[in-house]
Amino acid sequence: ELKVEQNPLFLSMQEGKNYTIYCNYSTTSDRLYWYRQDPGKSLESLFVLLSNGAVKQEGRLMASLDTKARLSTLHITAAVHDLSATYFCAVGETSGSRLTFGEGTQLTVNP
Amino acid sequence: DGGITQSPKYLFRKEGQNVTLSCEQNLNHDAMYWYRQDPGQGLRLIYYSQIVNDFQKGDIAEGYSVSREKKESFPLTVTSAQKNPTAFYLCATKTSSGRNIQYFGAGTRLSVL
Repeated sequence: ELKVEQNPLFLSMQEGKNYTIYCNYSTTSDRLYWYRQDPGKSLESLFVLLSNGAVKQEGRLMASLDTKARLSTLHITAAVHDLSATYFCAVGETSGSRLTFGEGTQLTVNP
Repeated sequence: DGGITQSPKYLFRKEGQNVTLSCEQNLNHDAMYWYRQDPGQGLRLIYYSQIVNDFQKGDIAEGYSVSREKKESFPLTVTSAQKNPTAFYLCATKTSSGRNIQYFGAGTRLSVL
């Protein structure tokens, strides 16, 4: 059974600071997805990582994938208040049909 | 207007009642999914369907039922057997090619009266 663990689950940071969210998973996969959810809203796709060593960047967010370590990271650079949201990683099963989601990291960026 | 439409946005269920949540898409995606999200939790898979007239149980299928009679539609029924149905329900779709990204509808919030 595929298990996905994120840490931290809660993250409070000041504007301008850097931080990293970690996503570990238990079985082999080469598909890793990051989503953002604003309070009371649906999920928005941020990044798709499809191979070992993949790195994607959008604005102040950068995601990477290490399939050998079964680890993905979401790095936040110089955080701003607009980044406050819950971030989920999701791992694709090898069949390609299902995703297993982590518990989510609730990020709060304070002025 | 393309996308995934979930309705209603809010739904209230009485004890012993079955209720049906609608999910319609015009993206021509093959696969459709239903997830449940409890407050402060991640998403758990209820049911999914990769083609018309076929669907599979997810991790928490008990107390739920689905049908997939048309490619565009994947309704979810929350039956009276589901004793704790209060949650946020999300429908997603996915193409069968490319990067396999799942796209989500706006969700239905179900509460028990």
